[in-house]
Amino acid sequence: DIVMTQSPLSLPVTPGEPASISCRSSQSLLHRNGNNYLDWYLQKTGQSPQLLIYMGSNRAPGVPDRFSGSGSGTDFTLRISRVEAEDVGVYYCMQALQTPQTFGQGTKLEIK
Amino acid sequence: EVQLVESGGGLVQPGGSLRLSCAASGFTFSSYWMYWVRQAPGKGLVWVSHITSDGINYADFVQGRFTISRDNAQNTLYLQMNSLRAEDTAVYYCARGGVEMATHSRRTFAYWGQGTPVTVST
Repeated sequence: DIVMTQSPLSLPVTPGEPASISCRSSQSLLHRNGNNYLDWYLQKTGQSPQLLIYMGSNRAPGVPDRFSGSGSGTDFTLRISRVEAEDVGVYYCMQALQTPQTFGQGTKLEIK
Repeated sequence: EVQLVESGGGLVQPGGSLRLSCAASGFTFSSYWMYWVRQAPGKGLVWVSHITSDGINYADFVQGRFTISRDNAQNTLYLQMNSLRAEDTAVYYCARGGVEMATHSRRTFAYWGQGTPVTVST
C-alpha cells in the first residue's frame, strides 16, 4: 500500500494569514495519463469529510479560491491564501492512484 | 443535489452482525463506483471496500467478514458486517467515487454521507 505522510500535524494560524500543509507519498502518484492522483479533504468537527482538491490541483465545485493545491510525483502542498475561522478542522491528503486509497494522518488547523 | 444517507449502525456484541445501508439520490447511482470508509474514534480515515460495475474489493482487515453490495434499482449501497470485533468500532461513511465532468476520477471521494456509528462491545 502507498504510505502518505503529512506535515505538520498541528497548524495554528492567525486569521487572514496564509497556511500550507505538505503531503508526501511513498511512491509517485503521477499516472501515465499526466494526472497526479492526490486529493485533499477537510473534516470539520462533528462533520463528514468534504472534498477540497482532486488530482493535485483541481478545486472541487463550491470550494473557495483561497484553497489551492500543487505538486507532482511524491510531493504535494495544500495552500490557503488567507485563513478564515470556518477553515478550522482536520485536513487529509489521500492518494487516489490505486486501491486501497490511503490517507495521510491528518493536519489539525486551528485559529490562534 | 447529491445526497447519501447511511443507516443501520448501532451497538452490537462481539461476533455479531449488522447491515449498513446507504440511500443515494441526485445522481445516476448505477454509473458510479461506491465506497465504504470508516473512522475509529479519534482516528483517521480508512478505506474499507468498494463496488464498481464489474468488481469488488475489500481491505484485508474485513476480507471474509464484510460483504458489499448494491441495488441499482433502489439506489442503495449496503455493507453486511459479520463476525464483528471491537476494533471494527467506528463511524462508517459511504462515499461516491468520481467528480462530475472529471474523467479518471473514480477513486476520488467526491461526496460523503453523514456517517453511521457502529459500536462493538459487550
